[in-house]
Amino acid sequence: KNQVEQSPQSLIILEGKNCTLQCNYTVSPFSNLRWYKQDTGRGPVSLTIMTFSENTKSNGRYTATLDADTKQSSLHITASQLSDSASYICVVSDRGSTLGRLYFGRGTQLTVWP
Amino acid sequence: EADIYQTPRYLVIGTGKKITLECSQTMGHDKMYWYQQDPGMELHLIHYSYGVNSTEKGDLSSESTVSRIRTEHFPLTLESARPSHTSQYLCASSKRDISYNSPLHFGNGTRLTVT
Repeated sequence: KNQVEQSPQSLIILEGKNCTLQCNYTVSPFSNLRWYKQDTGRGPVSLTIMTFSENTKSNGRYTATLDADTKQSSLHITASQLSDSASYICVVSDRGSTLGRLYFGRGTQLTVWP
Repeated sequence: EADIYQTPRYLVIGTGKKITLECSQTMGHDKMYWYQQDPGMELHLIHYSYGVNSTEKGDLSSESTVSRIRTEHFPLTLESARPSHTSQYLCASSKRDISYNSPLHFGNGTRLTVT
């Protein structure tokens, strides 16, 4: 069964600290992995998209890694800010047909305290 | 910021009412999607469209219907709302099929409450 599991479910850190969010997936065949940030009351916003051949991709203070062999990804946030408080969603796309489909994780709720 | 717009942002209605959730995008994307999201849960695809006059049901069984008469407009209609329809509804669009690494652009959602 194709699934995306994220950990931890929630996380609290102090402003300025770093953190790493985890994503494990069983989606096959694999096409790409995405990380989205969803602020409360808003729609998700794309942070990174990685294909099979990409190990690392950065977007400002956000760095995503992908290990396609172990089917794991992480999102590292450096020097956290209050505005980083949000839900971070891992999404995996398959390529089982010409029309890909997306498998969503339940997200990690990050809270940054001053 | 977002070039995809959803109205209304919040809606509270009584059981049995007919409602239409609006979604419009100004990016000229052919691909559009409706997702349902409950707190702490993953997004579920309820409808999608790959172009004008093309609509398909998604993975989640839904009593809603959609139409795609214009590229930029993808409204979702509930003929008779029930409390089980209470949820957040997110509209999204993409330039290419998602298997081509095309990012999804989401609207800010409609929070629907059926009493």
